[in-house]
Amino acid sequence: AQTVTQSQPEMSVQEAETVTLSCTYDTSENNYYLFWYKQPPSRQMILVIRQEAYKQQNATENRFSVNFQKAAKSFSLKISDSQLGDTAMYFCAPGGTSYGKLTFGQGTILTVHP
Amino acid sequence: DVKVTQSSRYLVKRTGEKVFLECVQDMDHENMFWYRQDPGLGLRLIYFSYDVKMKEKGDIPEGYSVSREKKERFSLILESASTNQTSMYLCASSLSPGTVAKNIQYFGAGTRLSVL
Repeated sequence: AQTVTQSQPEMSVQEAETVTLSCTYDTSENNYYLFWYKQPPSRQMILVIRQEAYKQQNATENRFSVNFQKAAKSFSLKISDSQLGDTAMYFCAPGGTSYGKLTFGQGTILTVHP
Repeated sequence: DVKVTQSSRYLVKRTGEKVFLECVQDMDHENMFWYRQDPGLGLRLIYFSYDVKMKEKGDIPEGYSVSREKKERFSLILESASTNQTSMYLCASSLSPGTVAKNIQYFGAGTRLSVL
């Protein structure tokens, strides 16, 4: 079983600044993946970034990067050069290899201000 | 692009009604999932299916059932809708683990269900 904690219910940032969303999790699996998903106000959930737990190198995807600390079971998302279109709810989701199931955190609402 | 389509964006039903929520994906994905999303609780897995006619309970299956008669379609059924089932329902699909896509889930736009 997996549990996920996103301790920041809401965050705000000014346009062009950097923000970090935190996520901690617990899992009994040895081989797993971690995801950040974004749900804009229009509600379509989309993948932001993915990390494979066996890889030590942190994943990056353009302005999005993660800080993956496997021993601490921490998986934070850093958004650089924030844009208005980054305003959304962000979900952290670890997943095991069993049928691709994911466990989602409670979500963090991020608001980017002009 | 993967497309996951949920049949309704908004639905209003009466207590006790039988409710069907439909989900169709067009990418030949093996796995399909139904979640409900509630404020402060994130997404919680109701049921998932890893093949036609195969289903597994998720974390909150009580009051729900599912059907997967064809690979591309996964239906969520509320046998007798109750007010505590008022929620946002999200459908997702993914390829099998072990593939290149490795567990990435693709989501529909969601169905906002209100039970009065």
